[in-house]
Amino acid sequence: DTEVTQTPKHLVMGMTNKKSLKCEQHMGHRAMYWYKQKAKKPPELMFVYSYEKLSINESVPSRFSPECPNSSLLNLHLHALQPEDSALYLCASTRTGDETQYFGPGTRLLVL
Amino acid sequence: AQSVTQLGSHVSVSEGALVLLRCNYSSSVPPYLFWYVQYPNQGLQLLLKYTTGATLVKGINGFEAEFKKSETSFHLTKPSAHMSDAAEYFCAVTPGGGKLIFGQGTELSVKP
Repeated sequence: DTEVTQTPKHLVMGMTNKKSLKCEQHMGHRAMYWYKQKAKKPPELMFVYSYEKLSINESVPSRFSPECPNSSLLNLHLHALQPEDSALYLCASTRTGDETQYFGPGTRLLVL
Repeated sequence: AQSVTQLGSHVSVSEGALVLLRCNYSSSVPPYLFWYVQYPNQGLQLLLKYTTGATLVKGINGFEAEFKKSETSFHLTKPSAHMSDAAEYFCAVTPGGGKLIFGQGTELSVKP
């Protein structure tokens, strides 16, 4: 089983809203990732959590705040976003000792 | 630094024809190589991967790829295209440490 789930599937928010994206996996993977993908472009890495600790932050603006409450769950808290933040947000995970990333279906975010 | 080049941002084939999507990489260390497929409004699905061992790798949906170290290539092929193969394809490389480096993607169209 290589399933990563993401909720919600779609999200529309205003620039003053606060919202959260959720990612879950029950495969025992110990590394989890957030990516941002614009149309017709490859995914861009935002954050990496390894064993529930933030290990990589790719200089992402502070209006994006990741959280890893436990080994199965990854959140991305959003606040005061800009229209240019509209994109597909993808979550991925890997098992220990394996570099293969398994992706979720994504959350399509629109910022008005 | 690692990099990935996908030749051709758009490839069009007829149904039943050979599919060839090109990927060249640069890496200072033995790479792990991946091909992912992305259907519209979906996440990335792993097609196949090369880590070590046999250089001809078979994946899902009839796709395969051959790792050629001397040519630093990892081209994706399928003997006979199907309409359902129409999608965006991404080649990726990782030197380890949790980062995936993607090519710019190739959009495959399949004509009836």
